[in-house]
Amino acid sequence: AQTVTQSQPEMSVQEAETVTLSCTYDTSESDYYLFWYKQPPSRQMILVIRQEAYKQQNATENRFSVNFQKAAKSFSLKISDSQLGDAAMYFCAYRRPTGGGSQGNLIFGKGTKLSVKP
Amino acid sequence: DAGVIQSPRHEVTEMGQEVTLRCKPISGHNSLFWYRQTMMRGLELLIYFNNNVPIDDSGMPEDRFSAKMPNASFSTLKIQPSEPRDSAVYFCASSLLRGDNQPQHFGDGTRLSIL
Repeated sequence: AQTVTQSQPEMSVQEAETVTLSCTYDTSESDYYLFWYKQPPSRQMILVIRQEAYKQQNATENRFSVNFQKAAKSFSLKISDSQLGDAAMYFCAYRRPTGGGSQGNLIFGKGTKLSVKP
Repeated sequence: DAGVIQSPRHEVTEMGQEVTLRCKPISGHNSLFWYRQTMMRGLELLIYFNNNVPIDDSGMPEDRFSAKMPNASFSTLKIQPSEPRDSAVYFCASSLLRGDNQPQHFGDGTRLSIL
């Protein structure tokens, strides 16, 4: 069974600095999808960034980028120029592709709580 | 466009009572997921539907839990009878079944407290 591990329960970063959140996963499959979701205190789950395993290029969305190391099964999230609004729980998630009996449900890590200091 | 709509946002009830959580997916989405979030276990998939058909309910904790999707625009998660250990935040999410890189869009969740 696939598992997702976030080894940092809590992280802290100074405003305007850069922080990296780590995520590793375990799978025997070669084709899959990875996501980072953000959950602020409002409780809403917000998609931050996604990565297809077949793509070698790391995904980037404005100040958010990932370091995807397929061989190492690692998928870290880098937040540049951190802002106070980035403070939230961040969840890494794995999803198998659809088809072949797999319908694409997400498997989440336990999350990393990010604090941003002014 | 409206996102995934869940109701109620908060529910407090006494143990033994029936609880019904509701979800309206994004129009046009044909996959719907129910997740439960607790401090101890994190986010867990309970059940999901494709085209209104339940595909995998292996995450449903026990027979007290049931879920239905009578049409493409509505789903319910029912707990009967409820117990204090059911207290959690319950999320509904929807996505397009076609297109593997389609993300799941989450509702705001229902915070359930069983006294």
